Amino acid sequence: GAGVSQSPRYKVAKRGQDVALRCDPISGHVSLFWYQQALGQGPEFLTYFQNEAQLDKSGLPSDRFFAERPEGSVSTLKIQRTQQEDSAVYLCASSLSRAEAFFGQGTRLTVV
Amino acid sequence: GDSVTQMEGPVTLSEEAFLTINCTYTATGYPSLFWYVQYPGEGLQLLLKATKADDKGSNKGFEATYRKETTSFHLEKGSVQVSDSAVYFCALSDRKNRDDKIIFGKGTRLHILP
Repeated sequence: GAGVSQSPRYKVAKRGQDVALRCDPISGHVSLFWYQQALGQGPEFLTYFQNEAQLDKSGLPSDRFFAERPEGSVSTLKIQRTQQEDSAVYLCASSLSRAEAFFGQGTRLTVV
Repeated sequence: GDSVTQMEGPVTLSEEAFLTINCTYTATGYPSLFWYVQYPGEGLQLLLKATKADDKGSNKGFEATYRKETTSFHLEKGSVQVSDSAVYFCALSDRKNRDDKIIFGKGTRLHILP
């Protein structure tokens, strides 16, 4: 596609429910990032992939958060046993190595 | 660790006013510096960037100069328009890291009044 696509755009989850957020990067982009953006804050880094390899997961806030990119293209961010503090916009970005990062429109997760 | 500090908003200006949004950074390596913009209802977009000291990034009338001596990358525009109303994020990517992760400031919301 023309840009980074994320789905769903909006997700409401009951506390304790598991969720999966999908990111389709720009075709051919090697690097893929996930960020978490709380209301009124800047994006906070979660994790980074280079092709299928997860090179940096230092930003994942707990072991309830898990990301994968098994074939080096589409990526999924999974959150287990969601809690209210997980409510945020989750942003995905992709880039050619060490080039401009292109962001998707994000998935707004609300945990009730 | 690496970090970015930018002026808090919201900033409210009249159309055609001069804009400055301050940004300073802390990095141990040789960062590239960016300004991203988030228009209402849209995703983050790169506005401009600079990759080394004294470089000036520019786009859509906005400018920012990479000042290593003051560790700053202030965003400026000579005459703002209503359509510039958005949230602006200063950011860096430190090339000493093995990944390209971008570290963002908290953002500055800009309101331009007609």
